[in-house]
Amino acid sequence: DAGITQSPRHKVTETGTPVTLRCHQTENHRYMYWYRQDPGHGLRLIHYSYGVKDTDKGEVSDGYSVSRSKTEDFLLTLESATSSQTSVYFCAIRTSGGTDTQYFGPGTRLTVL
Amino acid sequence: TQLLEQSPQFLSIQEGENLTVYCNSSSVFSSLQWYRQEPGEGPVLLVTVVTGGEVKKLKRLTFQFGDARKDSSLHITAAQPGDTGLYLCAGGGYNAGNMLTFGGGTRLMVKP
Repeated sequence: DAGITQSPRHKVTETGTPVTLRCHQTENHRYMYWYRQDPGHGLRLIHYSYGVKDTDKGEVSDGYSVSRSKTEDFLLTLESATSSQTSVYFCAIRTSGGTDTQYFGPGTRLTVL
Repeated sequence: TQLLEQSPQFLSIQEGENLTVYCNSSSVFSSLQWYRQEPGEGPVLLVTVVTGGEVKKLKRLTFQFGDARKDSSLHITAAQPGDTGLYLCAGGGYNAGNMLTFGGGTRLMVKP
């Protein structure tokens, strides 16, 4: 357990509405990541952060934005949700120590109607 | 773009059987992680291997990193129903964000 929580755990919303997902960590890890997991596509990186206010795009960043104003919180925002963004979203942190090992949160299941 | 091909995609076996899952790539990875994921939960780290040729054992699970650090395998001896789940491999790349490349996953079902 790397002290990662995600909120909400489940959300149903309508097309066109903004949605913000929160990832919270308690161990001051520098690197944080947002992934989505879909059948047939596996885990795909949306955005990542390498420090407060330092973020970069991943493989599937279109339609998503992120913010990190504090070390412990990494927010993922869907400005105008679409049905194609229905997915399970996972946050992860990378531990220090020389390897690329990441630990994952419990996930948020988002349904866009 | 680095790719990791994981095989097989699905595996259904009887309790007590042995199995091997493979992750293959044409790219070199700095490390290789294996995760297990159960429905409704996030992936849980099983092991990280970092040295070419490295073998790690976790009870009935044996993990191997290829000599050239392009491939890896997970072998389960005497599988049990509790081993059921989605197994994911992920390769660490030489990139600025320390990003991982994930395989597509192997869905394992062990029947009693």
